Amino acid sequence: EAGVAQSPRYKIIEKRQSVAFWCNPISGHATLYWYQQILGQGPKLLIQFQNNGVVDDSQLPKDRFSAERLKGVDSTLKIQPAKLEDSAVYLCASSWRRLREGQETQYFGPGTRLLVL
Amino acid sequence: LAKTTQPISMDSYEGQEVNITCSHNNIATNDYITWYQQFPSQGPRFIIQGYKTKVTNEVASLFIPADRKSSTLSLPRVSLSDTAVYYCLVAGLSGGYNKLIFGAGTRLAVHP
Repeated sequence: EAGVAQSPRYKIIEKRQSVAFWCNPISGHATLYWYQQILGQGPKLLIQFQNNGVVDDSQLPKDRFSAERLKGVDSTLKIQPAKLEDSAVYLCASSWRRLREGQETQYFGPGTRLLVL
Repeated sequence: LAKTTQPISMDSYEGQEVNITCSHNNIATNDYITWYQQFPSQGPRFIIQGYKTKVTNEVASLFIPADRKSSTLSLPRVSLSDTAVYYCLVAGLSGGYNKLIFGAGTRLAVHP
């Protein structure tokens, strides 16, 4: 079974520039997550999709971050304009279990490491 | 949502058993306890999950006392490749959907 794919793996940009990350979840997984992981910290959930609908985006900085999941499969996360504090690893994860069960298992991709200069 | 507390770091030696304890005093009735492992430059990987008593798989064991206010991840006979960050999470429903909240995790260093 192929895992969660993410691209690019690394990105270096200057502040105020824009950047986009792409995620392809495991086939059949209805739920998709984007996390931000700052060095030395645990992942922080940014947004959660169920199929192509947003379930939770309460921690997404909506003035600069946006995400979409067209057709309920692939997803893109965009930052515009980027700030220095956005330097982090952006992780995508997916799961297949119905969200109303506590037994959900999330499968994570390798992440995209972003450096904002 | 239940918060978790776990040691910031631990050290061990190859071949030893490692036990990492996590506190989750405010765990809700429907919450499950899940542990993830993360190596550098990789995303977290699911290790084990349980609700109560003991769960064992090919990688680890998870011990959960009757009051469920804590849990212990047990890694038998660790090797150098077990050096990683281990996260304890309590998966709870928020707005009708599961929500995972990661803490800082426990950095386990296994020495030769």
